[in-house]
Amino acid sequence: KQEVTQIPAALSVPEGENLVLNCSFTDSAIYNLQWFRQDPGKGLTSLLLIQSSQREQTSGRLNASLDKSSGRSTLYIAASQPGDSATYLCAGKRDYGQNFVFGPGTRLSVLP
Amino acid sequence: GAVVSQHPSWVICKSGTSVKIECRSLDFQATTMFWYRQFPKQSLMLMATSNEGSKATYEQGVEKDKFLINHASLTLSTLTVTSAHPEDSSFYICSASLESSGNTIYFGEGSWLTVV
Repeated sequence: KQEVTQIPAALSVPEGENLVLNCSFTDSAIYNLQWFRQDPGKGLTSLLLIQSSQREQTSGRLNASLDKSSGRSTLYIAASQPGDSATYLCAGKRDYGQNFVFGPGTRLSVLP
Repeated sequence: GAVVSQHPSWVICKSGTSVKIECRSLDFQATTMFWYRQFPKQSLMLMATSNEGSKATYEQGVEKDKFLINHASLTLSTLTVTSAHPEDSSFYICSASLESSGNTIYFGEGSWLTVV
């Protein structure tokens, strides 16, 4: 059974810092990997999707990478802002047609 | 891009009543949809896989008679929470698979259910 770990569970940083969120899967055979943010009381916002043929994706200040050999992914946030405060979830799916398995999330607070 | 819409976003119901949540793929056909729920401060857990035209596949520990899933068309799956109780209060979210795009999964906005 696929299990997902996210480290750290919570993180508080001053505005402007660069930071890295980590995600690891017990089964390294990841077909697709996706990073989401979730604001309190709201739904999921998809941030980055890494498909089977890719190793990383970038969008603005965000960069996500996937090491398929180890089943680990990192989300890099550059020049963090208070608006980045949210819970960040990683999710991966092993194969075509299968469901995503979610990590427990990292709660990020960026202090002004 | 592909959009998945969920309705309602928020719902409050009385204990013992039933509530239906809809998940629609707006501009593509989805043969497979997934339903997840999230309890406070926990991660999302898969409840069931919904297949168009056939019975849903439920994860271990999810009561199929309590959480009725219907996937009658290629663009609509519904989750009905029957005889709801306060412990069913949760965040429910669906996702749909777009096969023509490498089986990319798109998520709905989620539905917050509060049972009082």
